[in-house]
Amino acid sequence: NAGVTQTPKFRILKIGQSMTLQCTQDMNHNYMYWYRQDPGMGLKLIYYSVGAGITDKGEVPNGYNVSRSTTEDFPLRLELAAPSQTSVYFCASSLMGGFLFYGYTFGSGTRLTVV
Amino acid sequence: AQKVTQAQTEISVVEKEDVTLDCVYETRDTTYYLFWYKQPPSGELVFLIRRNSFDEQNEISGRYSWNFQKSTSSFNFTITASQVVDSAVYFCALSDNYGQNFVFGPGTRLSVLP
Repeated sequence: NAGVTQTPKFRILKIGQSMTLQCTQDMNHNYMYWYRQDPGMGLKLIYYSVGAGITDKGEVPNGYNVSRSTTEDFPLRLELAAPSQTSVYFCASSLMGGFLFYGYTFGSGTRLTVV
Repeated sequence: AQKVTQAQTEISVVEKEDVTLDCVYETRDTTYYLFWYKQPPSGELVFLIRRNSFDEQNEISGRYSWNFQKSTSSFNFTITASQVVDSAVYFCALSDNYGQNFVFGPGTRLSVLP
């Protein structure tokens, strides 16, 4: 099993450009998440999804959009990139439900620089 | 609101020393989960342990041990006989019973010097 796969691993954007960060999981997890990790900082939740067709905002959603058309895919879109969005982005998934919740499975991250 | 505090921003130790990473949490839930994740220099996030709020037994896994104390809302992590490969950022995290409201602490950067 591949787990959680993120693409690309690295990207440099110019201010004002747009892009989509891809995230796919093959574990049939219902819940998926996008986090950003700023240099020297912890992780902050951008958006999450509890299942196909359902998404909700996290702590820092401004400047981003997500969609969840299938259980496997949870792309994150940046519109009009800004330098403040320079960060490492982690996608994660989890199998939810009480004692079945064993934390997240994380992707390997996407390092984004906006110049 | 849930909150996780890791007061130690950076710790440096010499190899073979023991080191404890502190984690203090806040929650109004009676059922919750606590986690530790490791982020080595390569950047990936590695799950280390999960503990639920009803199980206050300490846990030992090799050189790693965890001390969960509900009375002080702490979930501390000790590495015994540290090694250079333990150098990483360690995150403590807290979630509610269903894994929502998953909150990470700011992380503690551990450097183990040879």
